[in-house]
Amino acid sequence: GEDVEQSLFLSVREGDSSVINCTYTDSSSTYLYWYKQEPGAGLQLLTYIFSNMDMKQDQRLTVLLNKKDKHLSLRIADTQTGDSAIYFCAERTGGGNKLTFGTGTQLKVEL
Amino acid sequence: EAGVTQFPSHSVIEKGQTVTLRCDPISGHDNLYWYRRVMGKEIKFLLHFVKESKQDESGMPNNRFLAERTGGTYSTLKVQPAELEDSGVYFCASSQDQPGPKGAFFGQGTRLTVV
Repeated sequence: GEDVEQSLFLSVREGDSSVINCTYTDSSSTYLYWYKQEPGAGLQLLTYIFSNMDMKQDQRLTVLLNKKDKHLSLRIADTQTGDSAIYFCAERTGGGNKLTFGTGTQLKVEL
Repeated sequence: EAGVTQFPSHSVIEKGQTVTLRCDPISGHDNLYWYRRVMGKEIKFLLHFVKESKQDESGMPNNRFLAERTGGTYSTLKVQPAELEDSGVYFCASSQDQPGPKGAFFGQGTRLTVV
């Protein structure tokens, strides 16, 4: 079955690193995604990783994928107040584009 | 190039009323998806159109929800009659026939509040 889980809240100090974790159950995932939703805004694609990769780095963002444990993480280096948002992980399975999302992690960045 | 646009951005209606949400996909995108997020929960898939046809409507919660995409352009999602548990944010997304790794593009969402 399809089930994606995330912790609901994370609070960090400005300048620290943030790590948001996600677990999924469908081993046939092709791509895994991280989306960001700022207050009052839509879903913004932050980054994605192909299922045969184990790491992807994009500026301050690092995605780690452990396929054996079905664990995905997003590390944000030097977290800023502008990073405060809800972060959703999502998996895409099969040949289509249907996504299964997690519950979202509310990231709060404190000064 | 215009992105996916949704109307209205917010809607507050009373229980038992009808609401119609609209989604305009990116021009040329045959695939159109509806998702929704109820308070504090995951974003759930509702249905998928390919042009004007419903490819997958397995996520539609019940028969109070009706989605249409006449002519294969914009789509509407009607809730009739609305119930309190229908409150949430409704997202629309669209993609080309072969979406590529980035997948679909999402709209801003419509925040529906049923009181």
